[in-house]
Amino acid sequence: GIQVEQSPPDLILQEGANSTLRCNFSDSVNNLQWFHQNPWGQLINLFYIPSGTKQNGRLSATTVATERYSLLYISSSQTTDSGVYFCAACSGTYKYIFGTGTRLKVLA
Amino acid sequence: GAGVSQSPRYKVAKRGQDVALRCDPISGHVSLFWYQQALGQGPEFLTYFQNEAQLDKSGLPSDRFFAERPEGSVSTLKIQRTQQEDSAVYLCASSQGTDTDTQYFGPGTRLTVL
Repeated sequence: GIQVEQSPPDLILQEGANSTLRCNFSDSVNNLQWFHQNPWGQLINLFYIPSGTKQNGRLSATTVATERYSLLYISSSQTTDSGVYFCAACSGTYKYIFGTGTRLKVLA
Repeated sequence: GAGVSQSPRYKVAKRGQDVALRCDPISGHVSLFWYQQALGQGPEFLTYFQNEAQLDKSGLPSDRFFAERPEGSVSTLKIQRTQQEDSAVYLCASSQGTDTDTQYFGPGTRLTVL
């Protein structure tokens, strides 16, 4: 089945810095989502982005399906951005495969 | 409206006990998913319901795991004769449609098997 890899595995930023998180997937996908898991374990959907670019405030995401990767950009990071960021890819109709995540810590 | 809720939030079971974990999806959501998340890992797919029909249970680790959604809303994940390797966070998610769609997750149930 499809494999999803994320990089970097860990990231420490100073508040206000920008960062790029990457998600590579091994096969063509129908859909891709980015999630943020906060320190209390709650998973929040950030983007539903099978292709193209989307922006939501300080966050934006780009998926290049033909090259099998997606990027999540975080600008002007805040301490509340800390947590784990997951991408999840789906090659069928409903079965998402999650990556192992990028653990982000933003320092004040 | 209300988001996805799960209960209990924490469950401690002795090895060999049966447990039942409940998920209340967002009202009207057709699709419901169960995932298992081990410490430091991403969620892993367990099973998928479309209304009351269980369309995929390929991720259930063994026949000790059973899930149901009899009326197409609330779902229960049951684990029989729990083992230590069952310790994990069990996440439920729902989505509005029947196709790939934005998934909304509940807070999870942390199961610890002693």
